Amino acid sequence: AQKITQTQPGMFVQEKEAVTLDCTYDTSDPSYGLFWYKQPSSGEMIFLIYQGSYDQQNATEGRYSLNFQKARKSANLVISASQLGDSAMYFCAMREETGANNLFFGTGTRLTVIP
Amino acid sequence: DAGVTQSPTHLIKTRGQQVTLRCSPKSGHDTVSWYQQALGQGPQFIFQYYEEEERQRGNFPDRFSGHQFPNYSSELNVNALLLGDSALYLCASSLEQGGTDTQYFGPGTRLTVL
Repeated sequence: AQKITQTQPGMFVQEKEAVTLDCTYDTSDPSYGLFWYKQPSSGEMIFLIYQGSYDQQNATEGRYSLNFQKARKSANLVISASQLGDSAMYFCAMREETGANNLFFGTGTRLTVIP
Repeated sequence: DAGVTQSPTHLIKTRGQQVTLRCSPKSGHDTVSWYQQALGQGPQFIFQYYEEEERQRGNFPDRFSGHQFPNYSSELNVNALLLGDSALYLCASSLEQGGTDTQYFGPGTRLTVL
């Protein structure tokens, strides 16, 4: 079974509007971390935001926020006030805290911001 | 504060050849992980190095090997290259400590096997 599922291959958003990128995860580990990365066409994976499974509040970093719904096993990324520079691939990833140190990635969502 | 650096940026090899990719971690980081990202896919974990030892390995054949040096930099070696090894190879560094252990990625090396 896929550990990370991103069901939106592509998304479009108008400049200055907000957009939500979906991510669901599958783990039996009680302790885990969820990450979002941005990958522009240059290839570098840029860390955006982190949410720990025991964090009581949703994580926020500037225009990025993570809508964490533990019971539904979802960790959606919300980008507010979209900018043209937000156009990129976005990847959701998970690390299970027990034993493993590697990240499991989804297949990504390509976001296009329309002027 | 220098981020993660990788070299070379691009590489073209032919089937059967061997290749070495290099990575320098972010300043202060001691753990290096390598990922393979095929076109249109998310990155797949290859292995992780900590204290000059391979600590964990993903589902990759023994043709993929690595090394970590005392200064925490790392190399990824791939022997007997196959066409399917063509991909973007990403190096990520992190600090072995409690907390998020967030991995920070380099710009990647794009390998093309002909």
